[in-house]
Amino acid sequence: DSGVTQTPKHLITATGQRVTLRCSPRSGDLSVYWYQQSLDQGLQFLIQYYNGEERAKGNILERFSAQQFPDLHSELNLSSLELGDSALYFCASGRTDSYEQYFGPGTRLTVT
Amino acid sequence: GDSVTQMEGPVTLSEEAFLTINCTYTATGYPSLFWYVQYPGEGLQLLLKATKADDKGSNKGFEATYRKETTSFHLEKGSVQVSDSAVYFCALSHSGNTPLVFGKGTRLSVIA
Repeated sequence: DSGVTQTPKHLITATGQRVTLRCSPRSGDLSVYWYQQSLDQGLQFLIQYYNGEERAKGNILERFSAQQFPDLHSELNLSSLELGDSALYFCASGRTDSYEQYFGPGTRLTVT
Repeated sequence: GDSVTQMEGPVTLSEEAFLTINCTYTATGYPSLFWYVQYPGEGLQLLLKATKADDKGSNKGFEATYRKETTSFHLEKGSVQVSDSAVYFCALSHSGNTPLVFGKGTRLSVIA
């Protein structure tokens, strides 16, 4: 158990809809990272938050957004969903002075 | 930009066989290098890491050496077990508190 929790575990929704994925980092970790894992693109970095502020942005679509709350949990919002958004979404957390990132179990999103 | 290339899978080995999974990287400067493992239905776990040239990371019988001259970080294990069946990801990072850049992953299946 990495100490990172993600909910829900599975999500099935229709095209055009909007969903929210939630992540709680390990105790004491200020950084939260979101990654998308798909069969064709592999594991891609989406966005990083550090202590409530956006720190780095990767290949995140404009339809996607994220935030980190004062209790350090983070939410990834995906809107106007398309079939191609079906993927595993991972959250990871880490400490300021460490290279290591600890991954949650992921949320599997299926868009039908 | 930075990138990681690892050998295509799947790799199928018999129990007790020798394992090598090749990984090369393209990056500016001297990144830290990692191997992560993803067991079926789970999130990624850090397997081993190396933060500077000639460092050898090791864990659970797996080893990888940071070779600056060949920009490589090949994963090896002398005798694989069925329980090693998983997807292995090579990754790099330039410093703590920054996103990881992953290779596409190599699926390993070990048969008894």
